[in-house]
Amino acid sequence: SQQGEEDPQALSIQEGENATMNCSYKTSINNLQWYRQNSGRGLVHLILIRSNEREKHSGRLRVTLDTSKKSSSLLITASRAADTASYFCATAPSGNTPLVFGKGTRLSVIA
Amino acid sequence: EAQVTQNPRYLITVTGKKLTVTCSQNMNHEYMSWYRQDPGLGLRQIYYSMNVEVTDKGDVPEGYKVSRKEKRNFPLILESPSPNQTSLYFCASSRLLAGGQETQYFGPGTRLLVL
Repeated sequence: SQQGEEDPQALSIQEGENATMNCSYKTSINNLQWYRQNSGRGLVHLILIRSNEREKHSGRLRVTLDTSKKSSSLLITASRAADTASYFCATAPSGNTPLVFGKGTRLSVIA
Repeated sequence: EAQVTQNPRYLITVTGKKLTVTCSQNMNHEYMSWYRQDPGLGLRQIYYSMNVEVTDKGDVPEGYKVSRKEKRNFPLILESPSPNQTSLYFCASSRLLAGGQETQYFGPGTRLLVL
């Protein structure tokens, strides 16, 4: 029951550029979360934005949420080679139902 | 240190030989979950547990069993592994608040090859 869908599937940019990834979902949510995964490793939580929030920042990360369009975006500013990873959005439906992960965006930052 | 541990990290086995992958968390989380990750298919949930003695099927439960006898442990059991269960497996845990799922903490993964 995959709900979140990231776009694009893959993104390649130069170091120093900004990277934007989008996530669309289908049903109402309590919160939306972004995770990062380095190749073959466990996912690491980046940021959580609640349904009543529109924007959130954490260091070089900026997340927006538009519940009317059922979409979110993750912006990484001034990207570095170390940002190369896969990024997943996960939606938390209302109530005690499991997080639903998208298939991820693979980001390559070229030095 | 808050963490989710999985063992073993790597496992090669043969078809039909029962195996167990252990998962343990030290954060007193109510919620625990198992996922498998395959190229092009993203993360797919196998089973999850809202609390001790409460387990439920995820999207791909066939061929797997779980148990939650203690809050900290959530082992994944493959009674009769088959080659299509070759995959990268992740255990995760989180708090479970009234408003829904909070941040999930993932284990390092278990890479399983079934011959």
